[in-house]
Amino acid sequence: EAGVAQSPRYKIIEKRQSVAFWCNPISGHATLYWYQQILGQGPKLLIQFQNNGVVDDSQLPKDRFSAERLKGVDSTLKIQPAKLEDSAVYLCASSLRRGQDTEAFFGQGTRLTVV
Amino acid sequence: QQQVKQSPQSLIVQKGGIPIINCAYENTAFDYFPWYQQFPGKGPALLIAIRPDVSEKKEGRFTISFNKSAKQFSLHIMDSQPGDSATYFCAASSTMNYGGSQGNLIFGKGTKLSVKP
Repeated sequence: EAGVAQSPRYKIIEKRQSVAFWCNPISGHATLYWYQQILGQGPKLLIQFQNNGVVDDSQLPKDRFSAERLKGVDSTLKIQPAKLEDSAVYLCASSLRRGQDTEAFFGQGTRLTVV
Repeated sequence: QQQVKQSPQSLIVQKGGIPIINCAYENTAFDYFPWYQQFPGKGPALLIAIRPDVSEKKEGRFTISFNKSAKQFSLHIMDSQPGDSATYFCAASSTMNYGGSQGNLIFGKGTKLSVKP
């Protein structure tokens, strides 16, 4: 089966610019997550979708970050305006359903560098 | 209370050795404890996972030991190989209806393992 697809793989922007990341989860997976992984640290959850609804965005810096999952499939994560501390790898993951210890499958991530 | 503490930060072993990575948690609502393996430039991939109703789980050369009373769990890699060199993350989540955070993985900071030939 095809894995979680993310694009772009790399992005370099100047601070105060905007950027968007795209994710296509595994077909049939209802739950989609966006994680931020700063160099040398573990992934940190930003937002969780169940189908096309947000179920947890408590860790999302809503003044600059936004995310949507139209039609319950693809998702985009946007940062506007970007700050230097946003430099990180942004990982998208999907799972068949919430809870019930179902495996979360991760994409390769988008490495963002803010200069 | 949401933290998962992982140690050591890095680990070097010889081929055939048994590296051990330890994790501790505080939130008693956590009931799912996976370990992820991450190679450079790749996303994390599930290695093995355990629920707190068992004290040990083995899959191939990988073993999780779980101590519910101490709120600690560890990963052992038997007969380690150079191909096991990667960063390992422990994680925890609550699979019950713990508000909106059901299923959200809380990751440790990672352990960079290097297995020397």
